[in-house]
Amino acid sequence: GQNIDQPTEMTATEGAIVQINCTYQTSGFNGLFWYQQHAGEAPTFLSYNVLDGLEEKGRFSSFLSRSKGYSYLLLKELQMKDSASYLCAVRDRHGSGGSYIPTFGRGTSLIVHP
Amino acid sequence: KAGVTQTPRYLIKTRGQQVTLSCSPISGHRSVSWYQQTPGQGLQFLFEYFSETQRNKGNFPGRFSGRQFSNSRSEMNVSTLELGDSALYLCASSLGVEGNQPQHFGDGTRLSIL
Repeated sequence: GQNIDQPTEMTATEGAIVQINCTYQTSGFNGLFWYQQHAGEAPTFLSYNVLDGLEEKGRFSSFLSRSKGYSYLLLKELQMKDSASYLCAVRDRHGSGGSYIPTFGRGTSLIVHP
Repeated sequence: KAGVTQTPRYLIKTRGQQVTLSCSPISGHRSVSWYQQTPGQGLQFLFEYFSETQRNKGNFPGRFSGRQFSNSRSEMNVSTLELGDSALYLCASSLGVEGNQPQHFGDGTRLSIL
């Protein structure tokens, strides 16, 4: 099995930078995803990391350290619309067939205030 | 390109009944996964289908079942409904089963058990 930990809630100010951390334990790591989910809506894909390092995509960046079982999502120039839940998901090898299943953390609720 | 479509959006059932939920993936996507989302447990994996075959199954009782048709559309069935089955059921599709394939989620079916 695996354990994924991320903070339950974070608050930040419009225009600021916020870093959402995710730690995980896994036996057959095959990638880490970040999703954004606004209240009452479906999760939407933000980023994917499988190798160590930083992946930048506009205002959002995601970092991975496989040896430390650690990732973070960095949001710059925060906007009010960034208020949402951010889900960390680790893809892990399962079963004798060796296929991959994503396991999601419980999400970090980010509140951006003026 | 149409996104993932789930029907119905809302459903109210009583204990002991059974329910069937439907998911139409993005055109060309062959992998369909189902998740249960509750405030207490977050997103939990139910099962994954690819080419009409169940590839993986999460830790849910046998009352939860699914299938995939030749056109990649999928259904999940829950029999003998319990109060604890009240949740948002999300379907996600991806092109294939490779590790780097992001999942695209539908808006979900909100199931309430009375």
